[in-house]
Amino acid sequence: DVVLTQTPPTLSATIGQSVSISCRSSQSLLDSDGDTYLNWMLQRPGQSPQLLIYSVSNLESGVPNRFSGSGSETDFTLKISGVEAEDLGVYYCMQATHAPLTFGSGTKLEIK
Amino acid sequence: QVQLKESGPGLVQPSRTLSLTCTVFGFSLTSCGVSWVRQPPGKGLEWIAAIWSGGRTDYNSALRSRLSISRDTSKSQVLLKMNSLQTEDTAMYFCARGYNFDYWGQGVMVTVSS
Repeated sequence: DVVLTQTPPTLSATIGQSVSISCRSSQSLLDSDGDTYLNWMLQRPGQSPQLLIYSVSNLESGVPNRFSGSGSETDFTLKISGVEAEDLGVYYCMQATHAPLTFGSGTKLEIK
Repeated sequence: QVQLKESGPGLVQPSRTLSLTCTVFGFSLTSCGVSWVRQPPGKGLEWIAAIWSGGRTDYNSALRSRLSISRDTSKSQVLLKMNSLQTEDTAMYFCARGYNFDYWGQGVMVTVSS
């Protein structure tokens, strides 16, 4: 199974600060169809997860453009350019290239 | 409007079988797959199983022997069965759409206890 290692496990940021979360995969997530099925989710307290970024760098409709994703093969990054109070919660990367699908362990973002 | 809604028993006795239903609205199960994901209290997300648009199924490696996922396209429902339940299976169970997980249900809490 693909193991996704997320770092850091916790992140503390002030409003307006830019932060990055890393997601490293135990194997390449480049699919034979040419796509890379690495997504980023945010789970706010008490809510269901929501999709932020799909296929590494595509911003989901309605998601603020302060969120961006980058990377390839086994190394991926989620960047928040100017944290806002509503961004607090747990961020997860997940891969759908290889079955079984897997999630990273999560990064908790706290607002100072 | 795309929606997913989970339903099932809130409480299940140990060693019994759990049956969960995900009813979808606004899309066809023959066009888009559905996954089940669970989250034990205070812990992270764990992918459980999926049934894809063509009917192919995939399962979590550690849970495979206890799981069965199926669908009823006429009712727009995805059914998950998990047998031999233990207390460690206590969790919020979500269903989500497609490879991108772009829509999620609100989840159903399942407690395994005698």
